[in-house]
Amino acid sequence: RKEVEQDPGPFNVPEGATVAFNCTYSNSASQSFFWYRQDCRKEPKLLMSVYSSGNEDGRFTAQLNRASQYISLLIRDSKLSDSATYLCVVNGDSGYSTLTFGKGTMLLVSP
Amino acid sequence: DTGVSQDPRHKITKRGQNVTFRCDPISEHNRLYWYRQTLGQGPEFLTYFQNEAQLEKSRLLSDRFSAERPKGSFSTLEIQRTEQGDSAMYLCASSSKSYAGSSYNEQFFGPGTRLTVL
Repeated sequence: RKEVEQDPGPFNVPEGATVAFNCTYSNSASQSFFWYRQDCRKEPKLLMSVYSSGNEDGRFTAQLNRASQYISLLIRDSKLSDSATYLCVVNGDSGYSTLTFGKGTMLLVSP
Repeated sequence: DTGVSQDPRHKITKRGQNVTFRCDPISEHNRLYWYRQTLGQGPEFLTYFQNEAQLEKSRLLSDRFSAERPKGSFSTLEIQRTEQGDSAMYLCASSSKSYAGSSYNEQFFGPGTRLTVL
């Protein structure tokens, strides 16, 4: 089983749609969880951390289910500028200082 | 610009040559990380430093790879006897826990060095 698994997509949605991405992780000892965003041929940038209680930042909501080892990201009212690859990230098997990235889920928002 | 910088941005080399990349982290960050990213994959961890000490290496970091951070500031990643399989984007990131509420895991990435081995 891969350490962090994501549906690669692409998810094609119209502007204004709500879209949800899911991610599963294999290391039950993982302590920290994140969503990063990566635009084409650019570096990854932190979108938001994911907390056990769930957290929201504007149109973005992240949820964590430790029992199921499952993380989600919900984007409401999609904008064209949301088109990117969304990377699910957990602190890695090799130590709590390193991050393990999923392959990413591509989102394409169309007019 | 006070972000992470990397040099060069692009490098094309012939198989068997040695290459060296440089990363300058955000100045107050004491941790520096190297990742490799290939097309369609997420970044894969290679190694990290806390100040000048190299604390962890991935099994991906073969003997042909070496990284240094001699003064705890900038870092270099050298690949000896490059192979076509080394072609990838090499990303550097930095982090710090220097302020309340921050986390070492909030890493800030540089623009990367894209390596092409012919």
